[in-house]
Amino acid sequence: NAGVTQTPKFQVLKTGQSMTLQCAQDMNHNSMYWYRQDPGMGLRLIYYSASEGTTDKGEVPNGYNVSRLNKREFSLRLESAAPSQTSVYFCASSGQGASDPEAFFGQGTRLTVV
Amino acid sequence: GENVEQHPSTLSVQEGDSAVIKCTYSDSASNYFPWYKQELGKGPQLIIDIRSNVGEKKDQRIAVTLNKTAKHFSLHITETQPEDSAVYFCAASNSWGKLQFGAGTQVVVTP
Repeated sequence: NAGVTQTPKFQVLKTGQSMTLQCAQDMNHNSMYWYRQDPGMGLRLIYYSASEGTTDKGEVPNGYNVSRLNKREFSLRLESAAPSQTSVYFCASSGQGASDPEAFFGQGTRLTVV
Repeated sequence: GENVEQHPSTLSVQEGDSAVIKCTYSDSASNYFPWYKQELGKGPQLIIDIRSNVGEKKDQRIAVTLNKTAKHFSLHITETQPEDSAVYFCAASNSWGKLQFGAGTQVVVTP
């Protein structure tokens, strides 16, 4: 039981390049999330998917797109990377509702845009 | 939307002493308040959570209190140990999994 798996763990991009961050969970969770973590700012929600087939914007969605490929996988795409997107990205998943609220996080992807 | 403030940003305690981290939230509809511990190079991990219909919850050396009227909640760690050194985040949610995080507290436990 791996939990939430993110790939890659590290990435360096040049300004203007594109890339996709991959996330998969094996806990049969309905909801999945992408957060970014910057020093002194905690984790901020980029996009989330409450269930397969739905996606919604979070607090900081500009410059990102997401795809909920199936129940297990939720990817984050940077179409044209900018230095302001240098951050650590975390994917998370949770059940739904009051009975299963705990969010489980992956190990993170450390992205540097130069 | 929800806004969560967390204090202090850094906390240094002697091994064996207690540590207290405080958070305030703005959305009175928030009903779920988890606390996460993040070790260097790892993702956040849930250590304890509390729901709005409960005032206090305890798990061994860790306890969380919630004051709905004042909109604040606190994490208490007793008998601190070196392995408690980490960054701790509070969070609040009015829709269970979608979390608004505080900025984090770096806790350092010195022997």
